[in-house]
Amino acid sequence: DADVTQTPRNRITKTGKRIMLECSQTKGHDRMYWYRQDPGLGLRLIYYSFDVKDINKGEISDGYSVSRQAQAKFSLSLESAIPNQTALYFCATSDPGGGGEGETQYFGPGTRLLVL
Amino acid sequence: GQNIDQPTEMTATEGAIVQINCTYQTSGFNGLFWYQQHAGEAPTFLSYNVLDGLEEKGRFSSFLSRSKGYSYLLLKELQMKDSASYLCVGLMFSGGYNKLIFGAGTRLAVHP
Repeated sequence: DADVTQTPRNRITKTGKRIMLECSQTKGHDRMYWYRQDPGLGLRLIYYSFDVKDINKGEISDGYSVSRQAQAKFSLSLESAIPNQTALYFCATSDPGGGGEGETQYFGPGTRLLVL
Repeated sequence: GQNIDQPTEMTATEGAIVQINCTYQTSGFNGLFWYQQHAGEAPTFLSYNVLDGLEEKGRFSSFLSRSKGYSYLLLKELQMKDSASYLCVGLMFSGGYNKLIFGAGTRLAVHP
């Protein structure tokens, strides 16, 4: 079984709709992240959470919100989807207690979102 | 700034060796990762360097020069399955914590 799972894997929605992408992990990691990936660009951080009570904006948080329901679950919401939010979205986890290489992030399989 | 620069595309022949270069801005630098990403799939960890020098892991090796802000990933005995994007990722200390800064990736095509 995969350590980091995302649902749905693919989603088509219309402009103005609210949608939620979900992420679950069985790695026992405290830190979780949401990224988006666009062609020709590196992954960009949307939000991150270092524990259940700690949520922070990343570099491109406008138009998004998150919820950390438990250590294992971190959801990303698009309050009113727009076409330029069409992208591949990845959830990731980390457990940096071991130093530099401990900052390794482990990614879910991604959610491909199309906003029409 | 915290730019990560790497070539957009490379091609190579099965069985050959290929070197993918990466340069980064050194402000806040705390380490350098390489990830592999097959099309439409999740990035997966390949290597981590924090000290100068070469780290070897089977067919893959990664090199770092902190003074030059330079790294490379070396892939030997290329196989068709190595066709993927390779992401150079800087670990940068900024805003009170370590964060990953991703390059756009180098898309490697391995042909027979």
